Amino acid sequence: KNQVEQSPQSLIILEGKNCTLQCNYTVSPFSNLRWYKQDTGRGPVSLTIMTFSENTKSNGRYTATLDADTKQSSLHITASQLSDSASYICVVSARNNAGNMLTFGGGTRLMVKP
Amino acid sequence: DAGVIQSPRHEVTEMGQEVTLRCKPISGHNSLFWYRQTMMRGLELLIYFNNNVPIDDSGMPEDRFSAKMPNASFSTLKIQPSEPRDSAVYFCASSTQVSYGYTFGSGTRLTVV
Repeated sequence: KNQVEQSPQSLIILEGKNCTLQCNYTVSPFSNLRWYKQDTGRGPVSLTIMTFSENTKSNGRYTATLDADTKQSSLHITASQLSDSASYICVVSARNNAGNMLTFGGGTRLMVKP
Repeated sequence: DAGVIQSPRHEVTEMGQEVTLRCKPISGHNSLFWYRQTMMRGLELLIYFNNNVPIDDSGMPEDRFSAKMPNASFSTLKIQPSEPRDSAVYFCASSTQVSYGYTFGSGTRLTVV
């Protein structure tokens, strides 16, 4: 069964600090891994998309890593801002005959305090 | 591009009433997905369409749920009759099959009282 596990479930940090969110997955056959940011009351918005051959991808202060051997990914947020407060969802895509199917992690709820 | 458009943004209805949620995918996207999000279960796939054809509806919780996609630019998710446990945020997403770009709508927050 395809599964995506995220840790921690929730995290509180002070503004300006860095943090790292973790994602472990068992999805096969692997197609790609995405990190989404979901603000309260909004739909998920894609931060990064990584394929099997990519180890690191950055989007501003967000840097995602992927280790396809250990099936782990991380999202590092540098110099956090209050607007980073949101849920961060790891989504892994498995390829099937009809296209890519997504398996969602439970998310990490990040709160950045002043 | 206006993105994936969902309506209504909020819906409050009484138990037993019919509820219809609407979605307009991004033009050119040939896959459309309906998700339900709750605090307890996170995001769950209900059903997805490819080229307007339902491919997998195994996530649809009960016969009270139905979805249609009459054309490439419109889809509906209907709940009849609605129950309080259906209260959740329902998201629509669309993508192209060959690209990796999924785009979510802003969701419809459904409250059944």
